[in-house]
Amino acid sequence: QKEVEQNSGPLSVPEGAIASLNCTYSDRGSQSFFWYRQYSGKSPELIMSIYSNGDKEDGRFTAQLNKASQYVSLLIRDSQPSDSATYLCAVGVDNFNKFYFGSGTKLNVKP
Amino acid sequence: GAVVSQHPSRVICKSGTSVKIECRSLDFQATTMFWYRQFPKKSLMLMATSNEGSKATYEQGVEKDKFLINHASLTLSTLTVTSAHPEDSSFYICSAARREVYSTDTQYFGPGTRLTVL
Repeated sequence: QKEVEQNSGPLSVPEGAIASLNCTYSDRGSQSFFWYRQYSGKSPELIMSIYSNGDKEDGRFTAQLNKASQYVSLLIRDSQPSDSATYLCAVGVDNFNKFYFGSGTKLNVKP
Repeated sequence: GAVVSQHPSRVICKSGTSVKIECRSLDFQATTMFWYRQFPKKSLMLMATSNEGSKATYEQGVEKDKFLINHASLTLSTLTVTSAHPEDSSFYICSAARREVYSTDTQYFGPGTRLTVL
């Protein structure tokens, strides 16, 4: 079992819709949770971090964390074609800088 | 804040030569730096984790004698691909972990280095 699981997609949504990206993790000791966006040919860029249960909003992005279900999600409201990218979920475990990345979900936002 | 640079951004070399890639955290001291490799349309693959002043920890299957990592300071790590071959052609990305005040570290990525070995 992989430490972090994501659906590889592609997830296709029309422009203006809400895109919902999901991620599950296996280590209950996970303490920090991150979403990165990676455009084709570029390196990952941090979008959101979340550490406690509930929702965290930043502009059009909302991260949701449910530690009991070992589940973290990213909602993108009013999706734009420029949001088309691969979204990586990452989990930080303990204080020894152990990070696990999911394989990413490819998002296509169609005009 | 949290800017990580990588140099060079692109390198083309002949088979058998060695290539050095630098990774710098520009506005913070990194507790740990990581080196990843990514082939086209594939996932990030962690190669090694390095801490300043100590030996790097390599992931299974990564040859430590081929991929030399030096972590000279809290802001600089280098990856040297020794005796490069065409199969080493890939996108190499570093990241640096920044210590956060009330939580665990956050990784910030450099822009990556595209290596082509002829």
